[in-house]
Amino acid sequence: AQSVTQLGSHVSVSEGALVLLRCNYSSSVPPYLFWYVQYPNQGLQLLLKYTTGATLVKGINGFEAEFKKSETSFHLTKPSAHMSDAAEYFCAVSEGRGNDYKLSFGAGTTVTVRA
Amino acid sequence: DAGVIQSPRHEVTEMGQEVTLRCKPISGHDYLFWYRQTMMRGLELLIYFNNNVPIDDSGMPEDRFSAKMPNASFSTLKIQPSEPRDSAVYFCASSALRGDTQYFGPGTRLTVL
Repeated sequence: AQSVTQLGSHVSVSEGALVLLRCNYSSSVPPYLFWYVQYPNQGLQLLLKYTTGATLVKGINGFEAEFKKSETSFHLTKPSAHMSDAAEYFCAVSEGRGNDYKLSFGAGTTVTVRA
Repeated sequence: DAGVIQSPRHEVTEMGQEVTLRCKPISGHDYLFWYRQTMMRGLELLIYFNNNVPIDDSGMPEDRFSAKMPNASFSTLKIQPSEPRDSAVYFCASSALRGDTQYFGPGTRLTVL
């Protein structure tokens, strides 16, 4: 079984500052890893994902994440926060093409951006 | 392309009433998932289907909840009878590949009075 831990339920950053959201996972098989964003009153939208290959993954809206197997981490970063980045962010893991179809989601991190 | 479609977007009902939530997955997606999101419990997976067959319903909270997928383009989640603690946002998601990206609908906000 796989699981995800997101460190910090709330993160507050200044506009233009670095955004760093932390995610650690556990999985018994090579994982697929995902970051989703949820804006108020909307569904979850994929930001980026890692399946295989290059460990630094670039996504939409200037976000990127790096898969570090040795640290079992998949932290999300954005060099310069924008007001529109205020949202809730979810890290998720799956067993890829293993027997378990589902994604396991973290508890979420709410990002607020200060002007 | 149309994404995942859910209806209704908002539902307000009284305790004891039957509630039916509907979902149309993205065409060609063989996997369909139902989630519930609340402030207290976060995002919970209720049930998922592969090729219209329920694979895992261990997340369904109790017998008052049931889900069906009669064909590849339609699924329902039914609550009978509804209770105030069922108030939540219910999401449907679909996926083309096992364990890969899930595409979420806009959700149904359910309020049980």
